[in-house]
Amino acid sequence: DTAVSQTPKYLVTQMGNDKSIKCEQNLGHDTMYWYKQDSKKFLKIMFSYNNKELIINETVPNRFSPKSPDKAHLNLHINSLELGDSAVYFCASSQQRGLTSYKYFGPGTRLTVT
Amino acid sequence: QKEVEQDPGPLSVPEGAIVSLNCTYSNSAFQYFMWYRQYSRKGPELLMYTYSSGNKEDGRFTAQLNKASQYVSLLIRDSQPSDSATYLCAMSALGTGANNLFFGTGTRLTVIP
Repeated sequence: DTAVSQTPKYLVTQMGNDKSIKCEQNLGHDTMYWYKQDSKKFLKIMFSYNNKELIINETVPNRFSPKSPDKAHLNLHINSLELGDSAVYFCASSQQRGLTSYKYFGPGTRLTVT
Repeated sequence: QKEVEQDPGPLSVPEGAIVSLNCTYSNSAFQYFMWYRQYSRKGPELLMYTYSSGNKEDGRFTAQLNKASQYVSLLIRDSQPSDSATYLCAMSALGTGANNLFFGTGTRLTVIP
């Protein structure tokens, strides 16, 4: 069974559209994350979320919003897509948000904005 | 200046070679150091972690940490074609917040049979 899964795997859309990426983890973890990986492979945190607290990286535009229907899911909604949003988006989860919490990553969603 | 610097490569080596991948960091608050391996079109997977200066060995892999000089290395012995991937160093800083794990840009390694 896949520990952290994401859908869709590939997403091609036009500028200005609104899209969502879904993430599910079956590890029973308390904390989930969204990361963005640019064309140079640099991974950058976007959000950290558990059932009590959402922490947002201040550099993330407010067009991006995480939505968590329950502890096992953290979806990413993006409004008014821009060319610069093209990247691979990774969902991750960990047991807790501590220094030693190992993060398990999903397979990624490759978003291309045209 | 990025807090974690990593040579992006690419690095090509013949099968059986010893490979050393390196990261330097500027934030002395980093306390926990990890290496992730990312195969093409896949998510990163945790390979090794360490938190004390010195070497930590796991099979063909050795993680080296030097806190005084602020660098971490991953040594791969007897490299195999299956080791071909991008290797990302990552470090945890004290304190809370979303940004508690800082990644290097990754080094792309190709092991040629």
